[in-house]
Amino acid sequence: GAGVSQSPSNKVTEKGKDVELRCDPISGHTALYWYRQSLGQGLEFLIYFQGNSAPDKSGLPSDRFSAERTGGSVSTLTIQRTQQEDSAVYLCASSLSGSLSNQPQHFGDGTRLSIL
Amino acid sequence: AQSVSQHNHHVILSEAASLELGCNYSYGGTVNLFWYVQYPGQHLQLLLKYFSGDPLVKGIKGFEAEFIKSKFSFNLRKPSVQWSDTAEYFCAVNVQFGNEKLTFGTGTRLTIIP
Repeated sequence: GAGVSQSPSNKVTEKGKDVELRCDPISGHTALYWYRQSLGQGLEFLIYFQGNSAPDKSGLPSDRFSAERTGGSVSTLTIQRTQQEDSAVYLCASSLSGSLSNQPQHFGDGTRLSIL
Repeated sequence: AQSVSQHNHHVILSEAASLELGCNYSYGGTVNLFWYVQYPGQHLQLLLKYFSGDPLVKGIKGFEAEFIKSKFSFNLRKPSVQWSDTAEYFCAVNVQFGNEKLTFGTGTRLTIIP
């Protein structure tokens, strides 16, 4: 069955450029999460969507980061004016609902972002 | 804010050895606890979870974890590891009735020698 799909799988870009990362959650999953994993760090929460709304944006590291979700499905994470410290693996996860009590988060393979 | 510590960064064991990976969290309230595993070339998968009830939780592939509230710990165990258990293991915590985000530890890389 189809899992969480992320694209691109790898992205190399120059410092200062904007990038867009895409996440296709599992069909029917209403909750969507973005995390990032920097070298030597654990997974860091970025933002959570329930439907198209983002009740928790507390993890976005700066105003260069934004995310949206349309149609309760696909989400894009945009990083403007990229910096070298943005290099990381960006992971997307989805779950049937926003309640972790019953529904685990299913993770995609991630997008490895490298800023030159 | 809650945080998670995994003190073992890389563990190397021989097949059939017993495994215990440490996980400690810092948060004074009620939490949900998770272990995720990432096999080489694969995405993160849920291994087991604790929300309430029996503090000894059994997961897939013979893994179990014990929640010890007084120690703020949720250590992962397996009595006899296999080569196929080679993977990275992440402990995570979520604050009950607070928010939906998971706070992860930095992970433990487990290498099993055949």
